[in-house]
Amino acid sequence: NAGVMQNPRHLVRRRGQEARLRCSPMKGHSHVYWYRQLPEEGLKFMVYLQKENIIDESGMPKERFSAEFPKEGPSILRIQQVVRGDSAAYFCASSPTEGLANEKLFFGSGTQLSVL
Amino acid sequence: EDKVVQSPLSLVVHEGDTVTLNCSYEVTNFRSLLWYKQEKKAPTFLFMLTSSGIEKKSGRLSSILDKKELFSILNITATQTGDSAIYLCAVDNYGQNFVFGPGTRLSVLP
Repeated sequence: NAGVMQNPRHLVRRRGQEARLRCSPMKGHSHVYWYRQLPEEGLKFMVYLQKENIIDESGMPKERFSAEFPKEGPSILRIQQVVRGDSAAYFCASSPTEGLANEKLFFGSGTQLSVL
Repeated sequence: EDKVVQSPLSLVVHEGDTVTLNCSYEVTNFRSLLWYKQEKKAPTFLFMLTSSGIEKKSGRLSSILDKKELFSILNITATQTGDSAIYLCAVDNYGQNFVFGPGTRLSVLP
């Protein structure tokens, strides 16, 4: 029973390029969350998705950032025209189904994005 | 705005010491509070708390929630160097999202 899978583990981009981060949730999980973490800081919520729906994107910058979770395949966090300030660890987490009182998040190992 | 505050932000102790980590929160629709331990990679789940006053325990770690005063504590007794990590507190904002605090960086010296 594989956990939350993120790839790539490390991604290096030059300023102005695009970054695509992938996340496959745990089997049976239909909720995906993306978080960003800067060094010495906690996890900052970015976006919460269910299959084919964005539920809450209040933490995601309005420009250059987008996320999707298609019916088939992994969730994708896309950053266009990256800048140095986008360098961070991006964590994906998944949870089973909404409405249960005992939900918790299961995290992937993260993608470390470095913008040169 | 929903927020989770943790204190202290960093803590250095010696092996064998007992530590108490604090987490306070303000959210619109509280469902549960979770503690995670983050070493080098993915945060790993420690506890989920939903009811006030009921202590959860796992080995040397324990945690309790006070829903009236809106806080939780995480205790670690007889600390070991392997306990060195960032401890994250998060609140499940009832199906909207999970709000994380900044974390407490714990360093346990031999």
